[in-house]
Amino acid sequence: DIQLTQSPSSLSASVGDRVTITCRASQSINTYLNWYQQKPGKAPNLLIYVASTLQSGVPPRFSGSGSGTDFTLTISSLQPEDFAIYYCQQNNMTPWTFGQGTKVEIK
Amino acid sequence: QLQLQESGSGLVKPSQTLSLTCTVSGGSISSGIYSWSWIRQPPGRGLEWIGYIYHSGSTNYNPSLKSRVTISVDRSKNQFSLKLSSVTAADTAVYYCTRDATDGTSNWFDPWGQGTLVTVSS
Repeated sequence: DIQLTQSPSSLSASVGDRVTITCRASQSINTYLNWYQQKPGKAPNLLIYVASTLQSGVPPRFSGSGSGTDFTLTISSLQPEDFAIYYCQQNNMTPWTFGQGTKVEIK
Repeated sequence: QLQLQESGSGLVKPSQTLSLTCTVSGGSISSGIYSWSWIRQPPGRGLEWIGYIYHSGSTNYNPSLKSRVTISVDRSKNQFSLKLSSVTAADTAVYYCTRDATDGTSNWFDPWGQGTLVTVSS
């Protein structure tokens, strides 16, 4: 299985901060990498697919980059509604796998 | 707008079979380019892909669960279902159904059902 390791596992940030989350794959996955946001008690919500394509309706403060084994999710200016857990997910090879999640908390 | 809704038993006894159904509305499950997945999340933990099915009935399961999982599709009802046999407490989780959207090369999970909590307990 392809392992995805996110860092950090959690972070504290203030409204307006720039936040970067990284996801490292155990082998090259080209750009077969997606990002999801999950709020408490809710299903995950797709933010970015194919490493850098913003899902329709997602604010442009979210962006993704990377290819191969190293990927980043950036929130350019953190908003109150962005406090959540973020997961990366690979679709290069089944079984599809997720990172362990990064919890973004209020500082 | 495509919507998915899980239904089924919320409490299952150990060693029994967990059964869930996902009803798709706002679109056809028979759309050829999509597959349909089940994903689970134990309380307070991360996400695990269980498997997917195409409307043709072709399936792909996570090897970690393959011996216990069956995913099936009912095109007439626009539904797909999950059965997980010989459950233990480790199978306690929120179970989500989702569509594997695709551009023909890559795929991603969107949209998701709201999820249903299944507890394994005697």
